[in-house]
Amino acid sequence: DAGVIQSPRHEVTEMGQEVTLRCKPISGHDYLFWYRQTMMRGLELLIYFNNNVPIDDSGMPEDRFSAKMPNASFSTLKIQPSEPRDSAVYFCASSFNGRLGNQPQHFGDGTRLSIL
Amino acid sequence: TQLLEQSPQFLSIQEGENLTVYCNSSSVFSSLQWYRQEPGEGPVLLVTVVTGGEVKKLKRLTFQFGDARKDSSLHITAAQPGDTGLYLCAGEGDNDMRFGAGTRLTVKP
Repeated sequence: DAGVIQSPRHEVTEMGQEVTLRCKPISGHDYLFWYRQTMMRGLELLIYFNNNVPIDDSGMPEDRFSAKMPNASFSTLKIQPSEPRDSAVYFCASSFNGRLGNQPQHFGDGTRLSIL
Repeated sequence: TQLLEQSPQFLSIQEGENLTVYCNSSSVFSSLQWYRQEPGEGPVLLVTVVTGGEVKKLKRLTFQFGDARKDSSLHITAAQPGDTGLYLCAGEGDNDMRFGAGTRLTVKP
């Protein structure tokens, strides 16, 4: 079975440019999460969706960050304009019928983003 | 904000040794999960604990949830190089979900 698929795996771009990260959750999962991981701050929840609707975006750091989920099989995380401090590994995860609890989150392999 | 503190931050041991890592909070969690993350990959769920005092075993790994559901521990018996990785705990509160910063474990052959 296909897991959570993220693209690209690596992205290097100059500051000021727009960055779009993509995620395809596991088919049938109704929750989708976007995380950011750095050495300093660990794994941080940015936003999560339930049935394609954003539920909690309190972790989104600034207005430069936006996320969409146009359908059950696709989500994007966009940074515009990007800054060097946005450099991190961004993970997408999905789960079925629950944010946490007894339902595991299945993570993609992440997008390593470097802003020069 | 419910913060999860994991300790130690780094741990390097020899193959065959035992170890315990901790996940602590001042808040009560409805449930707590442990994940392991290897380089270049996303975290993978190891276990979920729900009941205070609960103990779960997964081969050489023993997970315990504190009686008050504020803390948890992971004990590994006879560690192997394949156990090397970042161990993360994640707790669910009323309307919040947090990951700890993790314990980076290295098991040397």
